[in-house]
Amino acid sequence: GDSVTQMEGPVTLSEEACLTINCTYTATGYPSLFWYVQYPGEGLQLLLKATKADDKGSNKGFEATYRKETTSFHLEKGSVQVSDSAVYFCALMNSGGYQKVTFGTGTKLQVIP
Amino acid sequence: EADIYQTPRYLVIGTGKKITLECSQTMGHDKMYWYQQDPGMELHLIHYSYGVNSTEKGDLSSESTVSRIRTEHFPLTLESARPSHTSQYLCASSEVGTQYFGPGTRLLVL
Repeated sequence: GDSVTQMEGPVTLSEEACLTINCTYTATGYPSLFWYVQYPGEGLQLLLKATKADDKGSNKGFEATYRKETTSFHLEKGSVQVSDSAVYFCALMNSGGYQKVTFGTGTKLQVIP
Repeated sequence: EADIYQTPRYLVIGTGKKITLECSQTMGHDKMYWYQQDPGMELHLIHYSYGVNSTEKGDLSSESTVSRIRTEHFPLTLESARPSHTSQYLCASSEVGTQYFGPGTRLLVL
């Protein structure tokens, strides 16, 4: 079946440091890939997505590229801020059926001033 | 972007009480979902719906039940709450290709 593996946290960075959160996946077919962000006490918000190989999703300074050859979708940001502190989930959705989403276990990011 | 609403946001109740967690969306999405999120952050799908009068159990067995009488409304009910039901419950809906989430209900059963 489908699965998503993302790096374990927590990840602690100083403000303005570079961020990479690794995500790899196993799936049949051609899934869409997502990054969601969850701030404390809230639901998940869609951060970015990519629907086919070599697509790059970007939003709020975050980027991720759909790499089919390495089955990866790593999240990157060049300069993090304290307000980026949250839990980040990598996910995939296979087409058809009830559009089931498979989530990674989440990576907690803490950015310190 | 979908607008999805969940009420209440926080609920503290005693063991044995019946509760209903409300979820509604205004975008006309056919597919809706309930997830349970444990303290370790992992999400577990407990119910989903293709549309009106269609409900299915998800990957994680749950004592809760759901109904889908109207497209925009997907309530979750626990007939008799127990401390093991303490968790965060997230509702989502999807159009083609993307799921959108509500703010969640944090439930504490004493």
